[in-house]
Order: sequence, then C-alpha cells, then structure tokens
Amino acid sequence: NAGVTQTPKFQVLKTGQSMTLQCAQDMNHNSMYWYRQDPGMGLRLIYYSASEGTTDKGEVPNGYNVSRLNKREFSLRLESAAPSQTSVYFCASSRDFRELFFGEGSRLTVL
Amino acid sequence: EDQVTQSPEALRLQEGESSSLNCSYTVSGLRGLFWYRQDPGKGPEFLFTLYSAGEEKEKERLKATLTKKESFLHITAPKPEDSATYLCAVQPQYSTLTFGKGTMLLVSP
Repeated sequence: NAGVTQTPKFQVLKTGQSMTLQCAQDMNHNSMYWYRQDPGMGLRLIYYSASEGTTDKGEVPNGYNVSRLNKREFSLRLESAAPSQTSVYFCASSRDFRELFFGEGSRLTVL
Repeated sequence: EDQVTQSPEALRLQEGESSSLNCSYTVSGLRGLFWYRQDPGKGPEFLFTLYSAGEEKEKERLKATLTKKESFLHITAPKPEDSATYLCAVQPQYSTLTFGKGTMLLVSP
C-alpha cells in the first residue's frame, strides 16, 4: 500500500506565482487534511475535508484554497504565493477523525 | 482554546539511558491523545492513541501513559535508532487534532 502520496516533493516559486499541491490516499479514508510545518511552530491545520463534498477552514487558511476532488484526492492551491508560505506541507488522512496518516511532505520555497 | 505543551524541547541521551517525554494539555472534552514519531525529512508516523486517564500502551521500548492533565512517553533503554522528534496531539470531541511543537530526541551510542 502506498498510503498517502503527495506531489510534488519539492517546489520553488517566485512571489505571485500559483501552484497546486496534490494528495491522494488509498486507505479508503473519509477525512483528509492539509497541514503546514514551520520551525518552532509545530504542525498547523490549513484546511480539512471531513468527507467527500465538504471542506472546512483550519487554523491558518488565509492564502490557500482546497478541492476535494473525490474520496481519494484532496488538493491545496496557492493562488498568489508569498514568502510567508515557504514551509513544508503535509497531507494526511483518517477514518472519521481517528488517528492521522501522513504523507512524506512537500517542501515549498517562495522567493 | 486547546493547548498542548511538550517538554523538554530537546533531549540528549546515551544509549541505554531511560527517560520520559512530557505532554501537558488543556482541552475541552478529550476524545483522544496521540503520539507520533517524525524522522528528519519525513512525515509523522503514528505511534499510539490514548483515550482515558490511566490508560497505557506499549510498543517495543516505548510506553505511553495518560492522566487528566498530561501524557508521558517513557523510553526504556533507548537505541540510536530511537532518535527522532516525538509529537503529541490532542483531539477534542468530534474535532481536529491540535499538535504540540515536539521533543527532539537524540540517542548517542
């Protein structure tokens, strides 16, 4: 089983550019999440989707949009990237708000 | 507001030197407390879920315990491969997880 797969693993953007981080899970989980992890800040929730067809804001949603494409896929979009969005992004999934299973991360640098 | 505080921020042990990591929390209605391990450049890996005060869970050299205000991750006779950052998270009823900032553990041979 692949578990949670994120693409791309690394990305460098210029300020103002847009991009989409892709996430797919093969565990038949209902819930999916996007977190960012910054030094000294811990993991912070950006958006989550409790089930297919629903999305909700987390702690730090500004500057991001999400799409729950189907039960397997949950994408995170940066419409106009800013240096403050330089971070490591993690996608995770869970079965109905139980323990989370994380992907390997996507390392984004915004210049 | 839900809060999770982990201590110490960093811990250096000699191989075989047992110790404990602390996770203190405030949450409105705890549904579960989670422990994760994170290796450099990797995503967090699930270790344990604890649901009620007095509960304990073990896995190899790790044992997690829970009280009404804190959780401990006890590491017995650690090995260098136990070096990682250990994350604690709490989950209120039917809500999302709140993570602590982690404890970075380094075990020297």
